[in-house]
Amino acid sequence: DGGITQSPKYLFRKEGQNVTLSCEQNLNHDAMYWYRQDPGQGLRLIYYSQIVNDFQKGDIAEGYSVSREKKESFPLTVTSAQKNPTAFYLCASSIAGRNEQFFGPGTRLTVL
Amino acid sequence: DAKTTQPPSMDCAEGRAANLPCNHSTISGNEYVYWYRQIHSQGPQYIIHGLKNNETNEMASLIITEDRKSSTLILPHATLRDTAVYYCIVREGAYNQGGKLIFGQGTELSVKP
Repeated sequence: DGGITQSPKYLFRKEGQNVTLSCEQNLNHDAMYWYRQDPGQGLRLIYYSQIVNDFQKGDIAEGYSVSREKKESFPLTVTSAQKNPTAFYLCASSIAGRNEQFFGPGTRLTVL
Repeated sequence: DAKTTQPPSMDCAEGRAANLPCNHSTISGNEYVYWYRQIHSQGPQYIIHGLKNNETNEMASLIITEDRKSSTLILPHATLRDTAVYYCIVREGAYNQGGKLIFGQGTELSVKP
């Protein structure tokens, strides 16, 4: 089945540690996105990539980094510079030029 | 992108139609109306979109007023599994702003037996 996978579903880290969230898609989509969602809030865009080896900052990129070495993969690293990393992280992908984004199940990160 | 306004919450009886309104009075001529929903602790799911004509698919219908300043998402026979937060989003083509979708607060729909 085609889709987007994110792993793990729940992740716990100690304060000050970097952590990398996985996002893989087999939909052959060119564009991929990372969003953050806080309790009771809408989604906010962290980073996006429209093509391999290229990505742009979204609205809240500080404290995060990404890479896009393969079309299928768009990992997000939450660095120790991110002041409030505890949140629900969602990865999405889309066909280039289309607004219908397909979302993964999300990773809930808790920093202790 | 145009700002949207939705009621924070709505209730609907199971089996009845759920009508979710959205105001987008500042929408411009080339902006589409998109609807997504998010079931608790899951990723959002695309439902439907339209420009100015009414649209229908297997999930829902979208009614856009003639002046395009508001729209209504209709779930014709709501089930308990339709309980979710519904987001109305207005935006231009995907290459503007890198395809960013601006999710507001949405409407929390509760379908009750």
